[in-house]
Amino acid sequence: GAGVSQSPSNKVTEKGKDVELRCDPISGHTALYWYRQRLGQGLEFLIYFQGNSAPDKSGLPSDRFSAERTGESVSTLTIQRTQQEDSAVYLCASSLIAENEQFFGPGTRLTVL
Amino acid sequence: TQLLEQSPQFLSIQEGENLTVYCNSSSVFSSLQWYRQEPGEGPVLLVTVVTGGEVKKLKRLTFQFGDARKDSSLHITAAQPGDTGLYLCAGVRNNDMRFGAGTRLTVKP
Repeated sequence: GAGVSQSPSNKVTEKGKDVELRCDPISGHTALYWYRQRLGQGLEFLIYFQGNSAPDKSGLPSDRFSAERTGESVSTLTIQRTQQEDSAVYLCASSLIAENEQFFGPGTRLTVL
Repeated sequence: TQLLEQSPQFLSIQEGENLTVYCNSSSVFSSLQWYRQEPGEGPVLLVTVVTGGEVKKLKRLTFQFGDARKDSSLHITAAQPGDTGLYLCAGVRNNDMRFGAGTRLTVKP
């Protein structure tokens, strides 16, 4: 379909390993957001891209978290030296422009053992 | 602290009851959106309100934007089990959007 896709859908990793999560936004959407959602909780903002630049990285919880976006398309969220508290669903959303409706992907469920 | 405060955090009611959830802020927004998230899925947009005092209705759901554009409410009439989910408000200002923490609604049959 033409929606937002994320991969992998599930990721189980061992504490201390690095993980990379991928988001493919809807074609033509300039704004891209990453969120973290712990079990039973709301959305925790991580980072926002406008084009390839990230005007707001304020939500990244630590320097173990980083994200990039290339070609105003695909984005990757990298978590280095994963910890058990990183376990959550990571959601990506895109919108035509920043103020418009956000379309969400299905998320990546990350489990750190 | 959250830019947008949603209340209550959790709400469990019986089918057929009415309910209202709130989204409050000290900031003024150019618009405000309401989303619903069902288990295992991403949030989906329900409505966007733009004008202070605006009221929008979607079947049994009524959305209101405060006159000062700082707050909003969602009222559900005769709730049904299919209304169960996480209701999130999102405020737009300065070309950016931020979500509240959500109200988790459970409607029991």
